[in-house]
Formats: sequence, structure tokens, C-alpha cells
Amino acid sequence: DGGITQSPKYLFRKEGQNVTLSCEQNLNHDAMYWYRQDPGQGLRLIYYSQIVNDFQKGDIAEGYSVSREKKESFPLTVTSAQKNPTAFYLCASSRGPDQPQHFGDGTRLSIL
Amino acid sequence: GEDVEQSLFLSVREGDSSVINCTYTDSSSTYLYWYKQEPGAGLQLLTYIFSNMDMKQDQRLTVLLNKKDKHLSLRIADTQTGDSAIYFCAEKFQGGKLIFGQGTELSVKP
Repeated sequence: DGGITQSPKYLFRKEGQNVTLSCEQNLNHDAMYWYRQDPGQGLRLIYYSQIVNDFQKGDIAEGYSVSREKKESFPLTVTSAQKNPTAFYLCASSRGPDQPQHFGDGTRLSIL
Repeated sequence: GEDVEQSLFLSVREGDSSVINCTYTDSSSTYLYWYKQEPGAGLQLLTYIFSNMDMKQDQRLTVLLNKKDKHLSLRIADTQTGDSAIYFCAEKFQGGKLIFGQGTELSVKP
């Protein structure tokens, strides 16, 4: 079955730690995205990548970093510089920038 | 700027129709989308409409777009308890940027 897999489903971070969220897709999509969702709010774009080895900042990129070394994979690192990292993180992909985006099941990040 | 607004809650009885509304400010979008989110899950694409269309019907779902009033709606016919979820509208702009509303929580009572 083709789809987008995010792991882990739940993640806990200690103060001062970096953590990495995984996103893998087997849909052969060129574009991939990371969003953050906070309670009662819509999704906000963190980073996106339209092609391998290239990515751009979204609206709230500060305190986050990404890489896109393979078409299938777009990991997100939440660094210690992100002061309010507790949120639900959603990864999405699309065939191209003007095609519908399809989402994974999300990773919930909490601070210990 | 780009802004998308939705009412936060809607409650209906099973078997009734639900209408979820969305307003937006920037009319240069190319497509408008409706997504459904069940508790603890990701977003599921329900339907979308090209910005030069007025209406799209897909089984129990009807999307209406009023470009003059910058208003988008999603009608769910014969609403079932399984339709209980949060519904997001989103505008897509050239280059792929998506702007989401805050989401409308639909509660379906038996």
C-alpha cells in the first residue's frame, strides 16, 4: 500500500535536546512538507521541499531543520532553539507543488 | 494578506445535513480544499474545487464556492456518527503554499 509513514507516533524531549521526526513516503512524490498543529489552530508550514537536495523555509522555520537527501525521506529535527516544541507534527507529500497534498498520521511531541 | 476563517464548532443530529462554512481574504488562490481529521490522526483529503468553479458534488459531499463573497462551504448529506471529526478548509496558491483555517469540529448526535 502506498502512503506516508511518520514515526514515532509519540516522542518525548528533555530540555536542551534535539530530536528528529521521521517521514517516509512510497508514493513517488517529488514535494514534501512539514506542518505544526497546535490545539484550536490550523496547520502552519515549517519547511517544504519540492525536489531532492533542495528545501525552503515555511512560515515558522525558526528552531527547526530538515534534510532531503532521498526522494522518499524528509526528516525534521526539532532543535533546542525551539522554545515551545510541544505540538502535533504532520508530514505531507504531493506529486508536485500544485497537486493535492496527502498527509501522514502525525507525531505528537511533548517536553519532559 | 492570506487569512482563512472557520467557525469552531457545529453540532447536528444523525441523518440531518451538515454545512461547514469557510471565508477567506485572498482570492488569488488556485484551488480550495476540504480535509477531515479524526482524533489523533493526520488529515484526509475529502474533496477540492478549482477556483473558477462554483460547485462540485461528490457522493454525499457538495462544495459551493462564492468567489464574490470569498465564501466556501461543505455540505454533508445524511450525516452519520462516523462523520464526527474536525474539518479544515485550505486555500492553495501558486507554488503550492497551503493556508489552513482553524478547523470546525463537527459533532453528530444519534
